[in-house]
Amino acid sequence: DTGVSQDPRHKITKRGQNVTFRCDPISEHNRLYWYRQTLGQGPEFLTYFQNEAQLEKSRLLSDRFSAERPKGSFSTLEIQRTEQGDSAMYLCASEAFNTGELFFGEGSRLTVL
Amino acid sequence: DAKTTQPNSMESNEEEPVHLPCNHSTISGTDYIHWYRQLPSQGPEYVIHGLTSNVNNRMASLAIAEDRKSSTLILHRATLRDAAVYYCILRVEGNYQLIWGAGTKLIIKP
Repeated sequence: DTGVSQDPRHKITKRGQNVTFRCDPISEHNRLYWYRQTLGQGPEFLTYFQNEAQLEKSRLLSDRFSAERPKGSFSTLEIQRTEQGDSAMYLCASEAFNTGELFFGEGSRLTVL
Repeated sequence: DAKTTQPNSMESNEEEPVHLPCNHSTISGTDYIHWYRQLPSQGPEYVIHGLTSNVNNRMASLAIAEDRKSSTLILHRATLRDAAVYYCILRVEGNYQLIWGAGTKLIIKP
C-alpha cells in the first residue's frame, strides 16, 4: 500500500458546475477525514467517517457539499453548483483507530472560474 | 477548544539544530500535543505527538514543559528537506477534532 491517494490532483471548473473528488485511504484505516485548505492557512476540518458512518460534519459544509464512504473503503466529496469561494485544496486523511497519526493524501486542488 | 500559538516563521542554518516553539496555555489534561509538517505542494505529514513526557522518534524530538503550557519540536540536524510549515495542534485522545492554526514556516539556509 502506497498511502492515501486522491483523484484528481487538479480540477478547473466553471462556476455552477458540479465536481467530485475521490479518496482512497490506507486499506486497514477505519477513520477518514476531509479537510479544506486555502493559501497560507492551515487545513480546516470538513467531515469525518468511521468506517462507513459519517460521524461529524463541520458548519463549513453547506448543503452543496456531500460526502460518502460506501462500504467503509474509498470516499467521495461532491460539491454541487460550485462557487468561486470553493477554490481551495481539498485534503483527505486516514487513520487507524486511535493511533493519533493521520496520513494525508497530496490533495485535490480546485479552481472555480 | 484549546488553541496554540506559534511564530509565523523561523530561519535556521543547514545541519544545525532547530527548536520550534508552541504555546498552549489553555491546554486541558486530556489534550495530546501533535506536530505535523507540510512541505510545499504536499499534504501534511505526521511528525510526532505526546502527552506529558518528552518523546523521540526518527524524525524529531518533542519537549513538553512540566506545566504543559508550552512545547518545543526539536529537529536535531536540519536539512534543506526540512523546509516546511510546521503545525502544533492539540487533540483530545480518540477525538476526531484537530484545530489547525497557520503554523510556523521554517526556512533552512544552506
